[in-house]
Amino acid sequence: EVQLVESGGGLVQPGRSLRLSCAASGFTFDDYGMHWVRQAPGKGLEWVSGISWNSGSIGYADSVKGRFTISRDSAKNSLYLQMNSLRAEDTALYYCAKSHGSGSSYYQYNAMDVWGQGTTVTVSS
Amino acid sequence: EVVLTQSPGTLSLSPGERATLSCRASQSISSSYLAWYQQKPGQAPRLLIYAASSRATGIPDRFSGSGSGRDFTLTISRLEPEDFAVYYCQQYGDSTPLTFGGGTKVEIK
Repeated sequence: EVQLVESGGGLVQPGRSLRLSCAASGFTFDDYGMHWVRQAPGKGLEWVSGISWNSGSIGYADSVKGRFTISRDSAKNSLYLQMNSLRAEDTALYYCAKSHGSGSSYYQYNAMDVWGQGTTVTVSS
Repeated sequence: EVVLTQSPGTLSLSPGERATLSCRASQSISSSYLAWYQQKPGQAPRLLIYAASSRATGIPDRFSGSGSGRDFTLTISRLEPEDFAVYYCQQYGDSTPLTFGGGTKVEIK
């Protein structure tokens, strides 16, 4: 069964850091691009960041550029999101999602066909 | 940034009726890199349609997508009880950042 399991969320003070993880199983992780998407309480979906299968192509939403860093570890079948300088507006449920197609050199050319259940990040003093 | 505007915001229909959801882009989306997702309360989004009109694996054929350029449509031919949810369109491809529409809620009338 294809599965994504996020972890690492929690309550953090403004200005502090947090690292999210996403453990992938049931598919060949190395073949697919991956994404982080967030959803603020009661709001819609916001794409945060994406990474290609080989980490050669990476992108960020303007709202997180310079503060968040996406990475992946093929040995651990895991995706990460390092979040620095957190703000109240970063409060959201963060989803990890898998690209629909495999082998693309760029993260942005596929829809997202498998999603985790999310991990909640709350930024508050 | 490509802005996606979904309409209507809420659609009130009865089971068995046809639902037509619209997604309009602020600029043309190349190669129809447009997807539709369904989200139910407390659940993660589920991919329904990719490349504007291709159904994802396991999606019933009552769901169909159409459109090109700036205007796209998701049609649910006959609403089943499990179809009442929020639907999002998303553009991907040449235009980054990737963006989602604000969503259309399909509720029971």
